[in-house]
Amino acid sequence: GAGVSQSPSNKVTEKGKDVELRCDPISGHTALYWYRQSLGQGLEFLIYFQGNSAPDKSGLPSDRFSAERTGGSVSTLTIQRTQQEDSAVYLCASSLDRKETQYFGPGTRLLVL
Amino acid sequence: GENVEQHPSTLSVQEGDSAVIKCTYSDSASNYFPWYKQELGKRPQLIIDIRSNVGEKKDQRIAVTLNKTAKHFSLHITETQPEDSAVYFCAASITGNQFYFGTGTSLTVIP
Repeated sequence: GAGVSQSPSNKVTEKGKDVELRCDPISGHTALYWYRQSLGQGLEFLIYFQGNSAPDKSGLPSDRFSAERTGGSVSTLTIQRTQQEDSAVYLCASSLDRKETQYFGPGTRLLVL
Repeated sequence: GENVEQHPSTLSVQEGDSAVIKCTYSDSASNYFPWYKQELGKRPQLIIDIRSNVGEKKDQRIAVTLNKTAKHFSLHITETQPEDSAVYFCAASITGNQFYFGTGTSLTVIP
């Protein structure tokens, strides 16, 4: 079946602009996770959803970052007033339940000029 | 919060030799420990995982061991092949809420 998909695959934006990243999880997966991966670095946990709820938002780097999930499916990660340090690959993962295996999407490569 | 440390950051082995990557964690409540393989430009993929109720798990050439007392877990790859070359990440989680990843180990298998 279809895996996790993310869009856009690449995004170049100017400093100060807002961007919206989208994640389509595997159908039926209730848990959804967002991570950030800077070049040559590990994965930084940002936020997770169980259904439409995000129990813990403390991983978000700043108040410029927000995320939502609707209908227990698609999730969007929004970065307002982007800064150059926001440049990274943003990865989304989903799992059947939060105790199960995570499957990653291909990521969105964000470049802030 | 949880802190996961991973060593070594780079590892080179001859084809056919074994490779071992070690991770330590700080939060004794962590109970799920997956390992991911990430090839260049690709998404991370789960290769093996272990839960805190077992000490070892094996899947063909890959095995993971967990020492809850010492709070460390290790990935063992035997009979390495060139296609094993990738970056490997360990992670720790408390019942799948937040996942904390190590900084990665770049493994190179020399033919």
